[in-house]
Amino acid sequence: SQQGEEDPQALSIQEGENATMNCSYKTSINNLQWYRQNSGRGLVHLILIRSNEREKHSGRLRVTLDTSKKSSSLLITASRAADTASYFCATDDTGFQKLVFGTGTRLLVSP
Amino acid sequence: DGGITQSPKYLFRKEGQNVTLSCEQNLNHDAMYWYRQDPGQGLRLIYYSQIVNDFQKGDIAEGYSVSREKKESFPLTVTSAQKNPTAFYLCASSRDGGEKLFFGSGTQLSVL
Repeated sequence: SQQGEEDPQALSIQEGENATMNCSYKTSINNLQWYRQNSGRGLVHLILIRSNEREKHSGRLRVTLDTSKKSSSLLITASRAADTASYFCATDDTGFQKLVFGTGTRLLVSP
Repeated sequence: DGGITQSPKYLFRKEGQNVTLSCEQNLNHDAMYWYRQDPGQGLRLIYYSQIVNDFQKGDIAEGYSVSREKKESFPLTVTSAQKNPTAFYLCASSRDGGEKLFFGSGTQLSVL
């Protein structure tokens, strides 16, 4: 089962602009993670936010979590062409010790 | 360098053939996972293992089999019962289930 749904499915912006992606999920979670995937490659972990946290920063990344709305957002500030990739949220399926991934947002950053 | 190694990068399967995808990690992680990714889609869990000699079915286990005889290794066999095997297969590991995953670079499986 896919727990998360990312929105939008695709996003096209210019270098220097901010990119915001949203993730909604269905059940209670312990944590929510964001991953990045370059075309044809494996996923790379970006950031993990626990259910008792509301916001977390890592470099140009800012993640928020609203457990009452079962949603999260990933903000990439001052985007670069190298940020072009697909971004996935993943939630831990409590009790099953495994991550369930969303459908992803494809981000295109044009120079 | 620590990491996860998947091989081969590309694999072709003939009708009725079983094929095995390799996944090896030297991160000393207990948990290992296999995901399937179809074009433009998210990842779907095939099998996972939290400890040696134990593994659990994921959401789409039919037509696949795994073994976990060593901590470092978690091979996936795509059997002839899997009628639509063409996909990108990703192996991952984590220190504890539900925590940060480390992924291999993937195997693209196609049907001849």
